Amino acid sequence: QKEVEQDPGPLSVPEGAIVSLNCTYSNSAFQYFMWYRQYSRKGPELLMYTYSSGNKEDGRFTAQVDKSSKYISLFIRDSQPSDSATYLCAMSESGYALNFGKGTSLLVTP
Amino acid sequence: GAGVSQSPSNKVTEKGKDVELRCDPISGHTALYWYRQRLGQGLEFLIYFQGNSAPDKSGLPSDRFSAERTGESVSTLTIQRTQQEDSAVYLCASRPPGTGANVLTFGAGSRLTVL
Repeated sequence: QKEVEQDPGPLSVPEGAIVSLNCTYSNSAFQYFMWYRQYSRKGPELLMYTYSSGNKEDGRFTAQVDKSSKYISLFIRDSQPSDSATYLCAMSESGYALNFGKGTSLLVTP
Repeated sequence: GAGVSQSPSNKVTEKGKDVELRCDPISGHTALYWYRQRLGQGLEFLIYFQGNSAPDKSGLPSDRFSAERTGESVSTLTIQRTQQEDSAVYLCASRPPGTGANVLTFGAGSRLTVL
């Protein structure tokens, strides 16, 4: 079993929909949790960062971490076509080495 | 520079040839990482540099892979005797001193195709 599991999708939603992206993990020592967005032919860019459990909100994006269930989520409200990208979850024990999920491909249609 | 720069952006090579991939991190970033991203897969950690030393090279898949960093700036990832399974995008990332992985800045990657 990989340490980080993420459904690759693709996930297709209409513009304006609420999107829910999720990852599960097996290593209970992970305490740093991140979501990256990757456009085609580009490097990943950091979208959200959470330390330990809890929620974090930034504009249309909300990240949730449930360490008891080893489950993290990213919610996108009022999704836009420009949100179409691959979303990668990443997590770390130490804060310096990241373990990535496979990424979920999201398409928001106008 | 303004961002992490990688070259070449695309490289097509024949099986058995050696390739060199270059990463220019953001100026002043002491930590540098190499990751590999195969088609449909997540990022696989290869190696981490702190300054010019590599405290963690546990992700290098075989002895055909090596990396070095000089002058606390440019890093080169070398793959010898390339195999078709080496085909992937090789991503470099860097971060400033005293920060954690949450502030990594990635380059656009070098796409390697081994025929």
